[in-house]
Amino acid sequence: AQTVTQSQPEMSVQEAETVTLSCTYDTSESNYYLFWYKQPPSRQMILVIRQEAYKQQNATENRFSVNFQKAAKSFSLKISDSQLGDTAMYFCAFMKRASGTYKYIFGTGTRLKVLA
Amino acid sequence: NAGVMQNPRHLVRRRGQEARLRCSPMKGHSHVYWYRQLPEEGLKFMVYLQKENIIDESGMPKERFSAEFPKEGPSILRIQQVVRGDSAAYFCASSQDRDHNYGYTFGSGTRLTVV
Repeated sequence: AQTVTQSQPEMSVQEAETVTLSCTYDTSESNYYLFWYKQPPSRQMILVIRQEAYKQQNATENRFSVNFQKAAKSFSLKISDSQLGDTAMYFCAFMKRASGTYKYIFGTGTRLKVLA
Repeated sequence: NAGVMQNPRHLVRRRGQEARLRCSPMKGHSHVYWYRQLPEEGLKFMVYLQKENIIDESGMPKERFSAEFPKEGPSILRIQQVVRGDSAAYFCASSQDRDHNYGYTFGSGTRLTVV
């Protein structure tokens, strides 16, 4: 069975600094997708970034980038120039096709606090 | 173009009552997914539905929980005879087709509190 582990329950970072959130996963699949979602206090799940496992190039979305190490099964998220609005829970998620559709397996989350 | 709409946003039920959670998918989306988030945990898959059909309910408890997505109207997640352990946030997501690996659009969830 696939599992997703986020080993940092809480982190904090000074505004404008850079922070990296860790995520590891376990799977025997070769074709899958990885995501980072942000969940602010409003509870809305917001897609931050997506990575396809067969692509070696790391995904980047503005201030957000990932370090995808397929062999190590590691998928960390780097947030550059942190802003107060980045304060939220961040969930790493693994997605694969099963039973006719694509389903997520989420980690337990990292609570990030950006300090002014 | 409204996103995925869930209501109510908050729902309080006494033990033994029924809870009905509603989800209206994005316009043009015919695939709906329900996930549950227990306190301090990530979301966990419950059920996947297409219009009038349950495709995969492997994550849904066998008793007291049911889901439907009728031809007309929203998808409904129903929990009968609620217990304290059902307290959680329930999220709905939708997609246009089943081969949607770009990430689903989630609603803002319904927080169910059982007292």
